[in-house]
Amino acid sequence: AQSVAQPEDQVNVAEGNPLTVKCTYSVSGNPYLFWYVQYPNRGLQFLLKYITGDNLVKGSYGFEAEFNKSQTSFHLKKPSALVSDSALYFCAVRDPSGAGSYQLTFGKGTKLSVIP
Amino acid sequence: NAGVTQTPKFQVLKTGQSMTLQCAQDMNHEYMSWYRQDPGMGLRLIHYSVGAGITDQGEVPNGYNVSRSTTEDFPLRLLSAAPSQTSVYFCASGLEGITSPLHFGNGTRLTVT
Repeated sequence: AQSVAQPEDQVNVAEGNPLTVKCTYSVSGNPYLFWYVQYPNRGLQFLLKYITGDNLVKGSYGFEAEFNKSQTSFHLKKPSALVSDSALYFCAVRDPSGAGSYQLTFGKGTKLSVIP
Repeated sequence: NAGVTQTPKFQVLKTGQSMTLQCAQDMNHEYMSWYRQDPGMGLRLIHYSVGAGITDQGEVPNGYNVSRSTTEDFPLRLLSAAPSQTSVYFCASGLEGITSPLHFGNGTRLTVT
């Protein structure tokens, strides 16, 4: 079975500082990995994905994530945080092999607060 | 371009009542899905569809039914509402179900008393 862990319920960072939101995963095959962001009372918005290729993927709003197969991690990063980045962030994984390949499994979410 | 539209935005039901949550997308996406979001539990997949006439169960399907008669619509039916189904429900669609990102609606907040 596939699973995702986001070890931090909340991350606080000062505006202008770099931010990292952590994600680790477990799948039996090669993972497809995604990050989504949720603003209050809204649905999730796609930020970026890793399917194959370069381990560093760049996405929307200046976010990037690094795929690390040996550590089974896919941490979300941004060099300089903005107050407007404050939101709930979800990591998600899909195992493209096997019967459950259409099922996208989400982590529990990390609340990011950027302090002015 | 409306994207994914969910109705209603809010709903209160009594235990045992039935209702249908509506979801429509105008992006000609083959893949559609329903998730529920509960505090501290992230999003959990209820049902999904990879095209008209094709549906399958997700992680938490009990108490819910779906059908997909058209590409655009994917309604979720609660057969006999229970307090445990109090949640925020999200519909999401994608070009295909494996590598494409999902587009989410703004959710339906359901309370069952």
